Amino acid sequence: KAGVTQTPRYLIKTRGQQVTLSCSPISGHRSVSWYQQTPGQGLQFLFEYFSETQRNKGNFPGRFSGRQFSNSRSEMNVSTLELGDSALYLCASSWAENEKLFFGSGTQLSVL
Amino acid sequence: ELKVEQNPLFLSMQEGKNYTIYCNYSTTSDRLYWYRQDPGKSLESLFVLLSNGAVKQEGRLMASLDTKARLSTLHITAAVHDLSATYFCAAYLNEKLTFGTGTRLTIIP
Repeated sequence: KAGVTQTPRYLIKTRGQQVTLSCSPISGHRSVSWYQQTPGQGLQFLFEYFSETQRNKGNFPGRFSGRQFSNSRSEMNVSTLELGDSALYLCASSWAENEKLFFGSGTQLSVL
Repeated sequence: ELKVEQNPLFLSMQEGKNYTIYCNYSTTSDRLYWYRQDPGKSLESLFVLLSNGAVKQEGRLMASLDTKARLSTLHITAAVHDLSATYFCAAYLNEKLTFGTGTRLTIIP
């Protein structure tokens, strides 16, 4: 079956712009979570959604937001982009508690 | 706040040797994950450990969990070049996954 799909794969934006990233989980998975990966800070949790409800949020400014739709697809939005937002953004999905999290290929965001 | 420490950060091993990567976490966690990441690629799930004393093995990799010591280990047996990658552990609590810094493993022929 298809894995976690993230679009777009690469994105180049300039400071001050906003961006929306998309994640389609594995069919049947209801939990979707987002992570930011940078060389300096490593992998950091952004937020987690289950059945359209945000259950937890990481320590990121309010410029970072997300949502989940009824079909479990999720989007994250970053407004007023800063140079430091350049990172690989990873989405993961799982079916239930105690299950493996499956990661997508990520969206590489570059802010110029 | 849950913190996860992993060591070593870098590891160069000769093929055929054994070694262990250590993962310590600061507070109670629901479960512990191990992931592999190749350069420029996403994370590949290796193991999920759910309870104290859990041990899982696949090929040359074996992971274990000691919840009392808040310690998980990833043991590599008779390393081969294909195992060169960065390995991450991550502890799960309250719907949030907290990652260690990663161990960059290089297998030398």
